[in-house]
Amino acid sequence: GQQVMQIPQYQHVQEGEDFTTYCNSSTTLSNIQWYKQRPGGHPVFLIQLVKSGEVKKQKRLTFQFGEAKKNSSLHITATQTTDVGTYFCALDTGRRALTFGSGTRLQVQP
Amino acid sequence: GAGVSQSPSNKVTEKGKDVELRCDPISGHTALYWYRQRLGQGLEFLIYFQGNSAPDKSGLPSDRFSAERTGESVSTLTIQRTQQEDSAVYLCASSNRGGNQPQHFGDGTRLSIL
Repeated sequence: GQQVMQIPQYQHVQEGEDFTTYCNSSTTLSNIQWYKQRPGGHPVFLIQLVKSGEVKKQKRLTFQFGEAKKNSSLHITATQTTDVGTYFCALDTGRRALTFGSGTRLQVQP
Repeated sequence: GAGVSQSPSNKVTEKGKDVELRCDPISGHTALYWYRQRLGQGLEFLIYFQGNSAPDKSGLPSDRFSAERTGESVSTLTIQRTQQEDSAVYLCASSNRGGNQPQHFGDGTRLSIL
């Protein structure tokens, strides 16, 4: 079955430092999505990547889709306290529903 | 409504009781999903409805769990004979057409089994 690994599970950074979370799949993906869940909140869709090698930016967030369409990363430049939360990747493997990764919890120290 | 609506927001019940959770998806969204999220954990897929197709029930953890959806509107998730391990937040999401479309989540129902 579909295996998805998201690392790290947890990261604590000082405000202003960069942060990266990685998502790896055991199979080739149709596309990948990223979601953010604030503490006590619900997941909110951030972005969808479809093309091999695709790079998309949203302000301080940079999303990459691997050339082989098996992995992806989310990089945050100069973290702020508003970035606190858990970041999930969600994989589209062609099955009927997405498969969510276990998430990376980000804590930002002011 | 503007977003996915779930009710109740909180539910406390005794072990062995049945509970029913409700989800109102975004109007026009054909796909609806239920997830379970235990404290500090990821999203555990439960069930997926897409239009008039047979639902994907592959994530339901036991036969105590069931879900229904009326057309392309409201869905209810029922847990019978609740156990303490059922304590979690139950999240509902909807999407336009399903499959690989972005999902919009409700605020969830926090279920506590005493």
